[in-house]
Amino acid sequence: QQQVKQSPQSLIVQKGGISIINCAYENTAFDYFPWYQQFPGKGPALLIAIRPDVSEKKEGRFTISFNKSAKQFSLHIMDSQPGDSATYFCAAGTGYALNFGKGTSLLVTP
Amino acid sequence: KAGVTQTPRYLIKTRGQQVTLSCSPISGHRSVSWYQQTPGQGLQFLFEYFSETQRNKGNFPGRFSGRQFSNSRSEMNVSTLELGDSALYLCASRGAGGGRYEQYFGPGTRLTVT
Repeated sequence: QQQVKQSPQSLIVQKGGISIINCAYENTAFDYFPWYQQFPGKGPALLIAIRPDVSEKKEGRFTISFNKSAKQFSLHIMDSQPGDSATYFCAAGTGYALNFGKGTSLLVTP
Repeated sequence: KAGVTQTPRYLIKTRGQQVTLSCSPISGHRSVSWYQQTPGQGLQFLFEYFSETQRNKGNFPGRFSGRQFSNSRSEMNVSTLELGDSALYLCASRGAGGGRYEQYFGPGTRLTVT
């Protein structure tokens, strides 16, 4: 049973556009929702994270929107750049163990 | 501060053999988690160690085991390797206090089983 469902599987966005990746979770006990960015040959790097007591968190061009009642959260990348081309993973958990989505391969075209 | 380090970075083993992977967490971090990453299954949680004790375990067979030393360094062992064990094995460390939820990953060990 997949605890975290992520969509889309792949995404192509033009430079300067907005990239949006969505995730849904099942377990209402989850209280930590991070997003990771992974480049080929590298480990995932923590990008931004949110706790369920807030509905939105913004760090630079990256924003997490969180909907507790719908059990959904999303990552918005504003002014997407070619350097943002990577695989993005959402995760949800209690802090001790994270359940990851399957990942979204983002390509930002020049 | 140095990041999470993992050794070796690449490993080729034969089916039936066993393998040990090593992870050194960020200085001061006492929690180490291990994950398996494959194209088909994505990132899957293996287990977590804190102060030399396994605190959580994922849904993997007993062939997968680990331990943590008093300096927080951790090792993961896979016995009787199967072809399906080929994967990127990632280690993540976590601190305490306000940042206790944030996990920082190492570069991983790429294991190929032939």
